[in-house]
Amino acid sequence: GENVEQHPSTLSVQEGDSAVIKCTYSDSASNYFPWYKQELGKRPQLIIDIRSNVGEKKDQRIAVTLNKTAKHFSLHITETQPEDSAVYFCAARPTGKLIFGQGTTLQVKP
Amino acid sequence: SAVISQKPSRDICQRGTSLTIQCQVDSQVTMMFWYRQQPGQSLTLIATANQGSEATYESGFVIDKFPISRPNLTFSTLTVSNMSPEDSSIYLCSVEKGGNTEAFFGQGTRLTVV
Repeated sequence: GENVEQHPSTLSVQEGDSAVIKCTYSDSASNYFPWYKQELGKRPQLIIDIRSNVGEKKDQRIAVTLNKTAKHFSLHITETQPEDSAVYFCAARPTGKLIFGQGTTLQVKP
Repeated sequence: SAVISQKPSRDICQRGTSLTIQCQVDSQVTMMFWYRQQPGQSLTLIATANQGSEATYESGFVIDKFPISRPNLTFSTLTVSNMSPEDSSIYLCSVEKGGNTEAFFGQGTRLTVV
């Protein structure tokens, strides 16, 4: 079955710096790759997603890139702000269900 | 979008007992899923709740321990049976409104087994 590996597990950056989180997946049938943000004690919420027919997608300070050949995708957050501090999960969908990465705890220091 | 009401939001239960978690969606959805999130960990899929048929369980999860009901397209329940402290976790329901679209999550049920 699908296996999603996410790195790093923790990431600390200064406010205004960029943050990059990387994920790899194993199942070439995966065709949908969302990123979720989970604040402490809250439910995961989608921040951006990308489908396999697209290589890059951007939404304001957030961008996701996908390399299907290498089976990896990355989340890029620019001009980080303290409110970006949270746990971020990548996921991949091979057939009908989402498989999540292990999560990255992002800390943005003011 | 989808608005999901999950309850209870938290509970403390005695070992050996069972707890049923409810998930109500504000619109009809094809796919409903149940996840477990242990403290500081990722989301692990327990099962896919299918309307009109038995749930599909992931490796490591069995129907006797986690029976699921899906009586219609807006509602599902997950029961955690014969609980032990190892079952202490957050349980989340999730829905998707169509293929390759966003998954929405309930607010979670924080279960503590003592």
